[in-house]
Amino acid sequence: SYVLTQPPSVSVAPGQTARITCGGNNIGSKSVHWYQQKPGQAPVLVVYDDSDRPSGIPERFSGSNSGNTATLTISRVEAGDEADYYCQVWDSSSDGVFGGGTKLTVL
Amino acid sequence: QVQLVQSGAEVKKPGASVKVSCKASGYTFTSYGISWVRQAPGQGLEWMGWISAYNGNTNYAQKLQGRVTMTTDTSTSTAYMELRSLRSDDTAVYYCARVPPHNGPLDYWGQGTLVTVSS
Repeated sequence: SYVLTQPPSVSVAPGQTARITCGGNNIGSKSVHWYQQKPGQAPVLVVYDDSDRPSGIPERFSGSNSGNTATLTISRVEAGDEADYYCQVWDSSSDGVFGGGTKLTVL
Repeated sequence: QVQLVQSGAEVKKPGASVKVSCKASGYTFTSYGISWVRQAPGQGLEWMGWISAYNGNTNYAQKLQGRVTMTTDTSTSTAYMELRSLRSDDTAVYYCARVPPHNGPLDYWGQGTLVTVSS
């Protein structure tokens, strides 16, 4: 089965840029979706199809995908961005696959 | 506005079954699919499966095959997820989420339903 690998944690100071990676075999050939989950809340879609943003998501959230790594980039990080972030793809059998999640800490 | 409203928390004994509902509103129910995702306490997200609200086609995660059934009722725009032979490691928050055609993102999520399995 397809495996997505994320770093368990990323820390960044307010106003700086956070980059959260999602590794997978030839992930660049797949569409990657990213979700933000705050404690006690349901996940929220923040980036879809590698780099598109749903309405209402700030432009500070962006994504890229190439080769074996997809990246979620959060510019000008704010305290309110502190959350868990998950990448997700559909594998060749149309099974959903999530990465293990990355806890973003704003210092 | 798109909304997915799930049924309330459940407490079940090992070996029992649970059926969680997810009522959709604000969009054409049969134009999308519904995925179910669960999250054990302190753990990450686990995809459980998907159902087409258009024709009822399903695709279940291999580890749950034989224990899970997903259905829809188009007359009430409601999706259901039934999990049987519950074990303690099935204790989790269960989410439904809307999925656009052709394996799109899970773009709207329900609020979650806590299922606790305990003797």
